[in-house]
Amino acid sequence: QKEVEQNSGPLSVPEGAIASLNCTYSDRGSQSFFWYRQYSGKSPELIMFIYSNGDKEDGRFTAQLNKASQYVSLLIRDSQPSDSATYLCAVKDAGGTSYGKLTFGQGTILTVHP
Amino acid sequence: DGGITQSPKYLFRKEGQNVTLSCEQNLNHDAMYWYRQDPGQGLRLIYYSQIVNDFQKGDIAEGYSVSREKKESFPLTVTSAQKNPTAFYLCASMRGRVRSDIQYFGAGTRLSVL
Repeated sequence: QKEVEQNSGPLSVPEGAIASLNCTYSDRGSQSFFWYRQYSGKSPELIMFIYSNGDKEDGRFTAQLNKASQYVSLLIRDSQPSDSATYLCAVKDAGGTSYGKLTFGQGTILTVHP
Repeated sequence: DGGITQSPKYLFRKEGQNVTLSCEQNLNHDAMYWYRQDPGQGLRLIYYSQIVNDFQKGDIAEGYSVSREKKESFPLTVTSAQKNPTAFYLCASMRGRVRSDIQYFGAGTRLSVL
């Protein structure tokens, strides 16, 4: 069983701080990695994806991937109360018959307090 | 407007009843997916389909059935064999097999048992 592990939190940070969200995965053959944000009662929306080792930046968000350590993280700079949500890490299968199946972690609840 | 439409938004099931959740997409995506989300949990894959008239079981297929007669449509039936159907059901679609292809989600259907 392929596994994706996240710290369920809750993670509480003050407004303006950096929030750091972490995820580990068990399948070394995984090819790409996604971070989704989910507000309470809503469906997930994509924040970032990454498939090469290193950092990828998009505005206040930075995704970091270390395939050797099977670790992916999401940094949110200048955190805002509107960033308060559950963040889901998802790992895509390597291919073949699984055709892009995503395995999700249980999510990390982030609270940004004013 | 391109997107994924799920209906109904809320659904109630009586004991012993089968219910069908609708999912339609106009994104011309090949692949479609059904997930179940329980409170405080990540998403678990029920069924997925790569092409018309073909679908595969996910991790928790027991008590569910699907069909894929048209590229745009992937309905999910929750049968009476599913003894604990109360959950948030999410449909997703994805364009193709490229590793950067993204799964996009509908707004979800919340199913409860009467």
